[in-house]
Amino acid sequence: TQLLEQSPQFLSIQEGENLTVYCNSSSVFSSLQWYRQEPGEGPVLLVTVVTGGEVKKLKRLTFQFGDARKDSSLHITAAQPGDTGLYLCAAHNNNDMRFGAGTRLTVKP
Amino acid sequence: GAGVSQSPSNKVTEKGKDVELRCDPISGHTALYWYRQRLGQGLEFLIYFQGNSAPDKSGLPSDRFSAERTGESVSTLTIQRTQQEDSAVYLCASSFWGRSYEQYFGPGTRLTVT
Repeated sequence: TQLLEQSPQFLSIQEGENLTVYCNSSSVFSSLQWYRQEPGEGPVLLVTVVTGGEVKKLKRLTFQFGDARKDSSLHITAAQPGDTGLYLCAAHNNNDMRFGAGTRLTVKP
Repeated sequence: GAGVSQSPSNKVTEKGKDVELRCDPISGHTALYWYRQRLGQGLEFLIYFQGNSAPDKSGLPSDRFSAERTGESVSTLTIQRTQQEDSAVYLCASSFWGRSYEQYFGPGTRLTVT
């Protein structure tokens, strides 16, 4: 059973489109992280959200932490081919760190 | 500064052989994690080291898997009597004390058991 459920599992879109991916759980977390992983590389941290309802923006990426700190979303505006990769959410309680299975995003030029 | 490094980058071994994977964390990072990532899958937690505390081994899938870390430096993950289902990318990550939720990953070791 996956502690963190990510959806969709796969997403293929055209350059310029907007998209949202989700990370959901039945558990409450101290914080939640989003990572991006490109083929042949390790994941790279994009953002950490800590406060319920928190919204963080990173250029064209907008991250939101749910009010109850159980879920999060990542919205990408005007996607570009460079956004292609595996987007992983991870949740942290004390030293316990767990990752979702990821959303594999492909942005076609 | 240098990031997390792992060696070898690729390892092909025969079923039944032992393998040893190495991780060099970022200098000053006291926390070190090992994960397994099967093809097309997310990350599966294996083991966690924090300073000189006893490691959290709760993610190790069987007693064929073990890991060691010398102080706050290099770590090795050993898989004995490898099986085909052990084929995966093994990722190492490190972090500062108190910020274990912000992990910096190495490029991984791709293990193929034939």
